This record gives sequence, structure tokens and C-alpha cells, in this order.
Amino acid sequence: EAGVAQSPRYKIIEKRQSVAFWCNPISGHATLYWYQQILGQGPKLLIQFQNNGVVDDSQLPKDRFSAERLKGVDSTLKIQPAKLEDSAVYLCASSLAGTGASSKVNTEAFFGQGTRLTVV
Amino acid sequence: GQQLNQSPQSMFIQEGEDVSMNCTSSSIFNTWLWYKQEPGEGPVLLIALYKAGELTSNGRLTAQFGITRKDSFLNISASIPSDVGIYFCAGYNYGQNFVFGPGTRLSVLP
Repeated sequence: EAGVAQSPRYKIIEKRQSVAFWCNPISGHATLYWYQQILGQGPKLLIQFQNNGVVDDSQLPKDRFSAERLKGVDSTLKIQPAKLEDSAVYLCASSLAGTGASSKVNTEAFFGQGTRLTVV
Repeated sequence: GQQLNQSPQSMFIQEGEDVSMNCTSSSIFNTWLWYKQEPGEGPVLLIALYKAGELTSNGRLTAQFGITRKDSFLNISASIPSDVGIYFCAGYNYGQNFVFGPGTRLSVLP
């Protein structure tokens, strides 16, 4: 079974530029997450999708970050304009279901390799 | 919001030694997950726990879901060099999101 695919693996941009990341979740996974992982810290949730709807974006800095999952499959995360403090690894994860799931299998999230963003 | 604490923050051990690390929370979780992350990679799921008191093994790894549902433990027996990495715990409640701890960085000395 193919895992979560993310691209690009690395990106270096200047502050105030824009950048976009792409994620293709595991086939059949309804829930997709974007996490930000700053060096030395655990992943922090940015946004959660259930199919093509947003479940939780309470921690997404909406003045500069946006994300979409138009067809309920792959997703893009955009930063515009980027700031120095946005330098981090952006991780995408997926699960069969997340919100309200009571099945053991549904609550397991699988991660992609991440995109390492450096803002200079 | 909910926060998880992990201890120790980092540890250096000799190859062949056993390792213990834990994760604590001020709030209750219904599910505990343990992940391992190696440099340049995303976290990889090691063990998932679904019931208070549950003890689950995956090879040399054993994890337990604390009785109070506010903590979890991960043990690694007979460590080997490839065990090096950062181990994250994550708590999950139905209808909410995964909350990750800050990680325990493990180094194994040959």
C-alpha cells in the first residue's frame, strides 16, 4: 500500500515570497491533516480535513496560511507571504477517519516524509 | 489547550540496554499512539493503545496505556543502533485531534 506522498521535499524561499506544498494521502483515507513541526518540537496541527470539508483550522494563521482539499483527495497548503518563523517541516498525515471515529483502525494517522521549508 | 509532557527529553544509552520513556497529560485521552521519527523523515507509527491498562508489544517495543488514561509508557528492550531517533507520544480523543508531545531523543552508543 502506498504511503502518504508529499512534495517538494525541500524548499528555500526568501521572506515575503509565497510557497505551496502538496499532499496525496493514502488511498481511501477520508481524513487529512497538515502539521507544522519546528525544529526540536513535536508536530503541531494546522488544519484537519474530513473529505473536502474543514474540521478544525483553529491553529492555522489564516492571515498568511491557506489550505484546500477540493476533491476530497489530495491537498495543498499555501503560505503567502512567508515569514522567517515559518521555517519548519510541514507534515501531512491521513487516517481512515478522525472525527467521531470509534474504530481502532480509524484512529491511526500515517505521516508523509514532510517538506522542509527554510525562509531566509 | 491539551499538552503532553515527555520524559526524559533525551537519553544516551549503550547498545543492548533497555530503554524506558513516558508521556503524561493533565487531561484524559481515549487513545495513545507512539511514533518514531528519524532525521529527514516523517513520524512512523510504532504502537497504538486503545484501552486503559492495555499492554501492547511490537517486537522489542512494549507500550502501556496508563490506568488513569493520563499517561503512557514505552519500553525498548535490548537497544540497537537503529533505535536512534525521536520518539513522540500522541493522545487522541474521539471528535478531537491528535496532540503530540515534544519527543524523547534517543541516542544509542555502540
